[in-house]
Amino acid sequence: DTGVSQDPRHKITKRGQNVTFRCDPISEHNRLYWYRQTLGQGPEFLTYFQNEAQLEKSRLLSDRFSAERPKGSFSTLEIQRTEQGDSAMYLCASSLSNSPLHFGNGTRLTVT
Amino acid sequence: GIQVEQSPPDLILQEGANSTLRCNFSDSVNNLQWFHQNPWGQLINLFYIPSGTKQNGRLSATTVATERYSLLYISSSQTTDSGVYFCAVRGSTLGRLYFGRGTQLTVWP
Repeated sequence: DTGVSQDPRHKITKRGQNVTFRCDPISEHNRLYWYRQTLGQGPEFLTYFQNEAQLEKSRLLSDRFSAERPKGSFSTLEIQRTEQGDSAMYLCASSLSNSPLHFGNGTRLTVT
Repeated sequence: GIQVEQSPPDLILQEGANSTLRCNFSDSVNNLQWFHQNPWGQLINLFYIPSGTKQNGRLSATTVATERYSLLYISSSQTTDSGVYFCAVRGSTLGRLYFGRGTQLTVWP
């Protein structure tokens, strides 16, 4: 069990650029979640997948955000035309159905 | 969505002291987890406790689901216990976890 892996750990980008993050869940886990956390706040839900199906999306997930999990294994989160307000820690978690969530180390995004 | 309130928001202790963190939630849940977020941002699972009582070393947790609250006890605190403690819950029909705003714990030597 290698845990949930996220890449990259840090990303600095200029406003207006597109960025993509990757998450590799624990291998047998069928659910994969994306959260966003800003300073001083708890993680906020963005979206989750069960296998390859995206079952729930938050209203926080604007049209500039898209997430995929094409084969029910790893997932990508893309942010188009980044804005300074997108600067945050992006956290990925996985679980086996309704079992506990396990989080990765996160990707810290800074938009300049 | 489910509202999650944690108290206190901040807690400062001397090493060796005991503490109790509280989590109130607004609806019935089928999942409740306590996490510790370290200074590098990693969320570490402490307990999965939708009901009942569990203990792990100096930490223990109790959830009273019928009264919609959970407590995390830290005994003989150490400086390495410092960080933010989050409570997160999931309702019966949803997949997402709802997080509270956390309790920032600082333990001084």
